Amino acid sequence: DVKVTQSSRYLVKRTGEKVFLECVQDMDHENMFWYRQDPGLGLRLIYFSYDVKMKEKGDIPEGYSVSREKKERFSLILESASTNQTSMYLCASSPTGTHTDTQYFGPGTRLTVL
Amino acid sequence: GENVEQHPSTLSVQEGDSAVIKCTYSDSASNYFPWYKQELGKGPQLIIDIRSNVGEKKDQRIAVTLNKTAKHFSLHITETQPEDSAVYFCAALLRSNDYKLSFGAGTTVTVRA
Repeated sequence: DVKVTQSSRYLVKRTGEKVFLECVQDMDHENMFWYRQDPGLGLRLIYFSYDVKMKEKGDIPEGYSVSREKKERFSLILESASTNQTSMYLCASSPTGTHTDTQYFGPGTRLTVL
Repeated sequence: GENVEQHPSTLSVQEGDSAVIKCTYSDSASNYFPWYKQELGKGPQLIIDIRSNVGEKKDQRIAVTLNKTAKHFSLHITETQPEDSAVYFCAALLRSNDYKLSFGAGTTVTVRA
């Protein structure tokens, strides 16, 4: 079974803090993704990565950055957290570099920014 | 995603009845349409997908139909069971989105026992 794990289920941070969300997959997948999930808006892609040290902007990259130093790990960074970044964050991975592959999601991190 | 519209946003059905969720998309070049199911406290999981070269696909109690002319696709769940209660997301691979997946807003399905 593919397993995608996220470092925290719940996180509470203060405005202006630097926040790191970590994601690890154990299936040697090429692609990794970060989404945010908000009611009524579905899943929106923040960033994705096809390979180590490679990143591509998704639909809503503003206010976020990412890091992929190792194939199995993809980190989402909020340089200076703001209240409008309160959301559920979902990490996913898929086997190859195409977007028609099945994406395997982690359980999500619910981030609250006060 | 603004290029994939999903209806209804909530759906309540009696156990044993059918549930239908419909999505429309804007880009006629779209060719891949997956459906994901998200149970409470979990991440979404792929349940079925369809590509543009077929009109219907079935897997036990779930089926997806695609109408390329009208640019809509639907998820059908028959003989619903309590474990079908979840949030369902449709998605489409849109050329207008650089061939990345765009997700619908989601449908919360509740199966009443």
